[in-house]
Amino acid sequence: EIVLTQSPGTLSLSPGERATLYCRASQSVDSGFSAWYQQKPGQAPRLLVYGASGRAAGIPDRFSGSGSGTDLALTISRLEREDSAVYYCYYYGRSPNTFGQGTKLEVK
Amino acid sequence: QVQLQESGPGVAKPSGTLSLTCGVFGGPMSSGNWWTWVRQPPGKGLEWIGEIYHNGYTNYNPSLKSRVTISVDRSKNQFSLKLTSVTAADTAVYFCARADGDYSPLDYWGQGTLVTVSS
Repeated sequence: EIVLTQSPGTLSLSPGERATLYCRASQSVDSGFSAWYQQKPGQAPRLLVYGASGRAAGIPDRFSGSGSGTDLALTISRLEREDSAVYYCYYYGRSPNTFGQGTKLEVK
Repeated sequence: QVQLQESGPGVAKPSGTLSLTCGVFGGPMSSGNWWTWVRQPPGKGLEWIGEIYHNGYTNYNPSLKSRVTISVDRSKNQFSLKLTSVTAADTAVYFCARADGDYSPLDYWGQGTLVTVSS
């Protein structure tokens, strides 16, 4: 089973800044089978980016994913207050599929 | 537009069975889709429980495999989760979700339903 470890646990930034969230896999993975989700309180997770460079419908190009080997990353440029949420990485290339433990992003 | 809706009891008794159903709306449960259950204990992260293909083939999380059964009823456009021998550690919000094909992310989700294990 692939274990995903996200860092940092919490990130606090200001509007307009750039955020980079990291996700390290316990073994080498194919970033083409990884995704990032945004979850706000009381809501279901929302798919942001997936595969090597895909963005889900309606997701602005401020959100981008990257990765190689054991390291995956989500970059959010030009932060907005509405980006405050918990972000999860997800790997679906090998069963069991697995989520990281989450990074809480505060934009204020 | 696919919509998913979880339903079932909000309480399960310790050592009993948790049973939930996910209704799929907005179109038939097409071949090629994987139908998935994910859970989230209060204040914690997401845990992938397992998935079922349109033909009934399943994959389960090894940590839950001995207690989980996922089934599909395409005639009713729904799929179900059964988790046996539940304890307080199984208290969580349970989400159903869809993956649109092999090796695909979860693109549509239900809003989630809280199940509390309590006597």
